[in-house]
Amino acid sequence: EPEVTQTPSHQVTQMGQEVILRCVPISNHLYFYWYRQILGQKVEFLVSFYNNEISEKSEIFDDQFSVERPDGSNFTLKIRSTKLEDSAMYFCASSGRTGAPSPLHFGNGTRLTVT
Amino acid sequence: KNEVEQSPQNLTAQEGEFITINCSYSVGISALHWLQQHPGGGIVSLFMLSSGKKKHGRLIATINIQEKHSSLHITASHPRDSAVYICAVSGGSQGNLIFGKGTKLSVKP
Repeated sequence: EPEVTQTPSHQVTQMGQEVILRCVPISNHLYFYWYRQILGQKVEFLVSFYNNEISEKSEIFDDQFSVERPDGSNFTLKIRSTKLEDSAMYFCASSGRTGAPSPLHFGNGTRLTVT
Repeated sequence: KNEVEQSPQNLTAQEGEFITINCSYSVGISALHWLQQHPGGGIVSLFMLSSGKKKHGRLIATINIQEKHSSLHITASHPRDSAVYICAVSGGSQGNLIFGKGTKLSVKP
């Protein structure tokens, strides 16, 4: 069965550095998402992406964050200047072959540690 | 803003027991998702519901739109069912989900 793949599985970075988290969604899916889960807390929506543009974003997704689909297969989340509080598990997901609401397919996550 | 409440927070069961996890939400939704999060952190989608009932193997999910309530049932539970089960709801657009805190299930052999 097709999978959403995320790399790296674990990223350690210093405060103030830029990080790029990478995701390869399921091919032919139309909708792409990023979520984060701070350790011990619930999962939170960050952003949704459709038709090569952001369709929705949460309050968490401020100017430090950006998303891109640079080559038609990868879907990236960039954090420009990381803060300690950005330490979390980041999940990518994709859905919707047909454009109708459909179940989400999640990647295994990237654990980001900011020191 | 929708609030999603799950109960119980923690659940310990003996192998073979019938398990029910509940989810309530405060505002009307377009869909409700049940997700399973493994100890390693990965998330798997179990069900997406907008009405009625769905069944997959030993898992059953139901939703009552009028009462804003959903349940996830596991029949003949097994230690491999041990995981965190998360309820999440979407209002208008798919993917913009509000998540519950999860129910940590431990099934003992």
